[in-house]
Amino acid sequence: EAQVTQNPRYLITVTGKKLTVTCSQNMNHEYMSWYRQDPGLGLRQIYYSMNVEVTDKGDVPEGYKVSRKEKRNFPLILESPSPNQTSLYFCASSSRQGEFSHTDTQYFGPGTRLTVL
Amino acid sequence: AQSVTQPDIHITVSEGASLELRCNYSYGATPYLFWYVQSPGQGLQLLLKYFSGDTLVQGIKGFEAEFKRSQSSFNLRKPSVHWSDAAEYFCASMEYGNKLVFGAGTILRVKS
Repeated sequence: EAQVTQNPRYLITVTGKKLTVTCSQNMNHEYMSWYRQDPGLGLRQIYYSMNVEVTDKGDVPEGYKVSRKEKRNFPLILESPSPNQTSLYFCASSSRQGEFSHTDTQYFGPGTRLTVL
Repeated sequence: AQSVTQPDIHITVSEGASLELRCNYSYGATPYLFWYVQSPGQGLQLLLKYFSGDTLVQGIKGFEAEFKRSQSSFNLRKPSVHWSDAAEYFCASMEYGNKLVFGAGTILRVKS
């Protein structure tokens, strides 16, 4: 089954304790992205990756890191989490239509609810 | 920068009634437009998308949306709402490139 998986689904942590949220897709998609969802703000893009070893900042990258060492995986790293990073996080992936073209439909993972105390 | 506006934060409709959720976008060229639905505790599911061509787009679960360039709108409609349609709905646009820009969402409540 084609899917995007995220782990963990729920996480409660304390300020400053480094954490990683994993994301994996089995659709051989080139493009992957992380979003955070906050009430009244919809989803905002944190980072994205056009392909292996190619990553770039989205709209709200502060406090986050990503890596793309393999095509299927795109982990989100919070080196020193703070309470304002308490949110619902979504990973998404899609195929690309060409070097200078748009991507196709983005498929979303089930979400990771993070609470930073 | 492009933006997407969903003017209604909450909408309540009776089961069996028709539904229209509003979405306005700001972008000079024709954007790629999407509607996603998020059921409680779930991820986002794509309902439909518009890239080009026919301005009336059919989606899953009986939903449709109409792209109106003159009004910069992409409203979502359903002729008869079911209780299982209660969820949060997000409109999104993608300009040339890859970034999805989401509206703030509209929470749909269905009363029996």
